[in-house]
Amino acid sequence: ETGVTQSPTHLIKTRGQQVTLRCSSQSGHNTVSWYQQALGQGPQFIFQYYREEENGRGNFPPRFSGLQFPNYSSELNVNALELDDSALYLCASSVGLAEEETQYFGPGTRLLVL
Amino acid sequence: AQTVTQSQPEMSVQEAETVTLSCTYDTSESDYYLFWYKQPPSRQMILVIRQEAYKQQNATENRFSVNFQKAAKSFSLKISDSQLGDAAMYFCAYERVGNQFYFGTGTSLTVIP
Repeated sequence: ETGVTQSPTHLIKTRGQQVTLRCSSQSGHNTVSWYQQALGQGPQFIFQYYREEENGRGNFPPRFSGLQFPNYSSELNVNALELDDSALYLCASSVGLAEEETQYFGPGTRLLVL
Repeated sequence: AQTVTQSQPEMSVQEAETVTLSCTYDTSESDYYLFWYKQPPSRQMILVIRQEAYKQQNATENRFSVNFQKAAKSFSLKISDSQLGDAAMYFCAYERVGNQFYFGTGTSLTVIP
């Protein structure tokens, strides 16, 4: 167990809808990163938040957005869902931004877009 | 841009034997970290081993060790005395500044009893 939880575990949406995925990090973890893992692929970096500010973004459109809260929880929001958004969404947290720090991954949310 | 390549989609090993998973990466940075993560069917990514690029000594963690060749940009994982619980998807990952990871496409490891 990594101490990182995600909800829900599974979710089914239809194309065009909006979805919010949640992640709860360990206390004291100021950094959270979100990844999209399509079936049979490695995780792709979506964005990272540090102390409630976006700190980096991968090659994802603006309809992917996030929030980080002072209580070490965070959200990933996806608007105007597309079929290709079907994937496992992982969050990972760490104390800060230093490379030597270990990132702890949650179990993921499996999103299916119909 | 950083890219990570795992050229072995699937590998198998007999229980108690040794297996090596390959990974190459591309970067223009001189200081970075490399990782191997294990993802069992439960989906939770588990850190297997970590290597700092500035360290010449290869990292080891019990039955897991790496062969890090910085000039060749190669980072392979050796699993000794393979166990049934080692069966999983293994991902090689590159960490750039700011704790942002780039993953390969993974190698599915099967352990044969």
